[in-house]
Parts: sequence; C-alpha cells; structure tokens
Amino acid sequence: EMQVVESGGGLVQPGGSLRLSCAASGCTFNTFWMSWVRQAPGKGLEWVASIKQDGSEKRYVDSVKDRFTISRDNAKNSLYLEMNSLRGEDTAVYYCASQGNNWWDLFDDWGQGTLVTVSS
Amino acid sequence: DIVMTQSPDSLAVSLGERATINCKSSQSVLYSSDNKNYLAWYQQKPGQPPKLLIYWASTRESGVPDRFNGSGSGTDFTLTINSLQGEDVAVYYCQQNYGSPLTFGGGTKVEIK
Repeated sequence: EMQVVESGGGLVQPGGSLRLSCAASGCTFNTFWMSWVRQAPGKGLEWVASIKQDGSEKRYVDSVKDRFTISRDNAKNSLYLEMNSLRGEDTAVYYCASQGNNWWDLFDDWGQGTLVTVSS
Repeated sequence: DIVMTQSPDSLAVSLGERATINCKSSQSVLYSSDNKNYLAWYQQKPGQPPKLLIYWASTRESGVPDRFNGSGSGTDFTLTINSLQGEDVAVYYCQQNYGSPLTFGGGTKVEIK
C-alpha cells in the first residue's frame, strides 16, 4: 500500500500559478501510473491528469490542457502538478492517487488532499 | 466522454435496512474481450479521501464488508448496502475506467433515517 502526502495548495489570484507536490512512500513508486483527482467544495470527483511510470505518457482532462502540467521524479518518489492561468473553477481539493500498471486502472491509494483556492 | 449519472442524489435509510444506489453510463462499459464491466464504486466519508470499494462492477476490494454488493452490466449498475451500519454514512461514487477520460458519477449521499 502506498502512502501519499500532498502539499503546495493555497490561495492564488485568478491568472496565477501554483505547483502541487505529492510525496509517496511504502511502495515501488516507479511501477505505478499516478494521477491527480480534484473535488470542488461540496461537489463530486473529477480526474485531472495522469502520468505513466517513466513519464513518457501524460493524459489530461480537456478543461486543464495547455494550463496544467503533470510530472514526476522517480528518484524522489514524487509527483507534481504545475498549474498556470488558474481560474475560479479550479478551486478544489486536489488529491494525489496511485493507479496500477495501466492508465485505465482504478485509484487505489489516495492522500488527504491539498486545497487550492483561486480568488481575488 | 462517458457520462455517469447516479440516482438518487441522497437517501436516508434506517439502521439495519437496505440502501440502493443506481449508476447509469452513457455508453456500455462492458469490454467484450474479457467480458468485464469497467465500473467501480468508491466510498467517501466526511473529511476523508475516497476509498475503493468495488471494481469490475461486482468484485469487492480486499477488506470491504460483504454487506456491500455491486451488480449490473453494460450501462446500468447498482450498489446495494445491506443492513446499513452507522459507519456507512458517506457519499458513494461510481466511476468508469473503460474509456478516456476516466469519469465519475455525481455521488449519492447516504444518511441514517
């Protein structure tokens, strides 16, 4: 079982940028696809982005394409989400979640999340 | 995109009674090559991240109590919680992992009557 801890959330103005981090432990990090899933306040879950074990494949939900970049550093057991041109609708708790060997695998282990608030 | 629609939005059930949650996908999530439905259920308790309960529509994750049952195929699925316990108060989400993007239903809140 993987333990993940997110960090980097906070208050940012519309149009601003933020970088989220996720530190993983308790597993062989580089054998898993990893994802970010978000949840707006009082709302449901939305998959945001996923990255392959070696970083060679990345997938994004349409609403964040060209604004968000997912990356990973396997040497540091870490996952990142660079968020640019932030909008009010990006306000959410962002969860880091592990998947299996494939992009379609389910979200097995989740962190507690980090809150991103986009507001002036 | 595959749209997942859950019903009802919320329900209140007495302790020990049955809760039934429905999930409908906008297209079939049954993969013909392995005859598996790529449909999962998650439980999210207040203040916690989601937890995977059921995958392939009806297979319980290790450690999940057997009062949780998933059923259905193709586009229509059901999560049944038999003999509801107090610790089952949560929001339940269905999710398809058949196609990209991976999508979730809007959630069903289960409360005690």
